[in-house]
Amino acid sequence: NAGVTQTPKFQVLKTGQSMTLQCAQDMNHEYMSWYRQDPGMGLRLIHYSVGAGITDQGEVPNGYNVSRSTTEDFPLRLLSAAPSQTSVYFCASSRTSGNTIYFGEGSWLTVV
Amino acid sequence: DAKTTQPPSMDCAEGRAANLPCNHSTISGNEYVYWYRQIHSQGPQYIIHGLKNNETNEMASLIITEDRKSSTLILPHATLRDTAVYYCIVRVVNSGAGSYQLTFGKGTKLSVIP
Repeated sequence: NAGVTQTPKFQVLKTGQSMTLQCAQDMNHEYMSWYRQDPGMGLRLIHYSVGAGITDQGEVPNGYNVSRSTTEDFPLRLLSAAPSQTSVYFCASSRTSGNTIYFGEGSWLTVV
Repeated sequence: DAKTTQPPSMDCAEGRAANLPCNHSTISGNEYVYWYRQIHSQGPQYIIHGLKNNETNEMASLIITEDRKSSTLILPHATLRDTAVYYCIVRVVNSGAGSYQLTFGKGTKLSVIP
């Protein structure tokens, strides 16, 4: 199984540009989420989804949009990138509430 | 604020047991203790979790005190590949949406020394 797959792994954006970080899982997990990790800090939750068509905000949602049209995919959109969004982004999934959460390998984003 | 307290760093000799402590004095009865680790430039990796009983799997053992206010993760024979940041996380596990979230602190940076 591929598990949780994120693309791209590295991206450089100019301020004001838009882009989408892709996340896909092949484990039929209901729950998916996006975290960001800044240097020397733990992960912080951006948005999460408990199933197709359902999304909600996490701790740091501003500047990001998400949608969940299928069980497998949970893209994270930056509509107008800012230097403060320079970070490492991790997608995660779990089968249901209470199950172990598994993470992707990360997407390194730099906004200049 | 993270609900756990961990030492910022620890060293362990290769081949010896690594014992990583975690304090969670405000843990509630419906909260589990989870351990993840993050090897440099990789995504967090699940290690083990428990509620009140000690747990063991192929990676590690988890010892939870009787009052559940602290726990210890044990890597029985540390190798150089175990060098990573280890996160202790308390997590509500029920049907509510909040149970999906993991709140990460700064963790313990474990350095395994040859």
